[in-house]
Amino acid sequence: NAGVTQTPKFRILKIGQSMTLQCTQDMNHNYMYWYRQDPGMGLKLIYYSVGAGITDKGEVPNGYNVSRSTTEDFPLRLELAAPSQTSVYFCGTRRGEDSYEQYFGPGTRLTVT
Amino acid sequence: QKEVEQNSGPLSVPEGAIASLNCTYSDRGSQSFFWYRQYSGKSPELIMFIYSNGDKEDGRFTAQLNKASQYVSLLIRDSQPSDSATYLCAVNPPTGGFKTIFGAGTRLFVKA
Repeated sequence: NAGVTQTPKFRILKIGQSMTLQCTQDMNHNYMYWYRQDPGMGLKLIYYSVGAGITDKGEVPNGYNVSRSTTEDFPLRLELAAPSQTSVYFCGTRRGEDSYEQYFGPGTRLTVT
Repeated sequence: QKEVEQNSGPLSVPEGAIASLNCTYSDRGSQSFFWYRQYSGKSPELIMFIYSNGDKEDGRFTAQLNKASQYVSLLIRDSQPSDSATYLCAVNPPTGGFKTIFGAGTRLFVKA
């Protein structure tokens, strides 16, 4: 039982490049989240999904896109990377409306130069 | 005003002492409150949640909630060096049951 996995662990991008951060969970949780965490800051919600085929914007969605075609996978796409997107990205899951505990993946550390 | 505010610290306490971490929130209608622990370079993990006014105890941890004052705290008794981490306060606002707002966190150092 892997829980929540994220790939890659680290990545360096050049300005203007694109990439996809992968998130996969094997807990059959309905809710999935993408957060970014800048140094010394809390988690900022980028996008979330309450089930396959349903996604919505969080606090800081600009420059990102998501899709949720299956319960297990919730990839985050960065188009035209900018230095402001340098951050640590965490994927989170939650069973559903009846449960408040969030589980997090190990994170992806992204640097855009 | 930030939605969830915490003192960034660092808070330094000697081993065996009580560490007190505080958090205020701006949305008076918020219903559920959480404390996550985050070790350096790691992802957050939930250690406590509380929904009702008063105290909730779990081992060495006690969460306290005062909705009238919009204040939630975490007490760590008999602090250990392994408790050294950043503690994130998180709140579910009333308008979005599936969203959680995180504070910036308080860094705690427990000196041996």
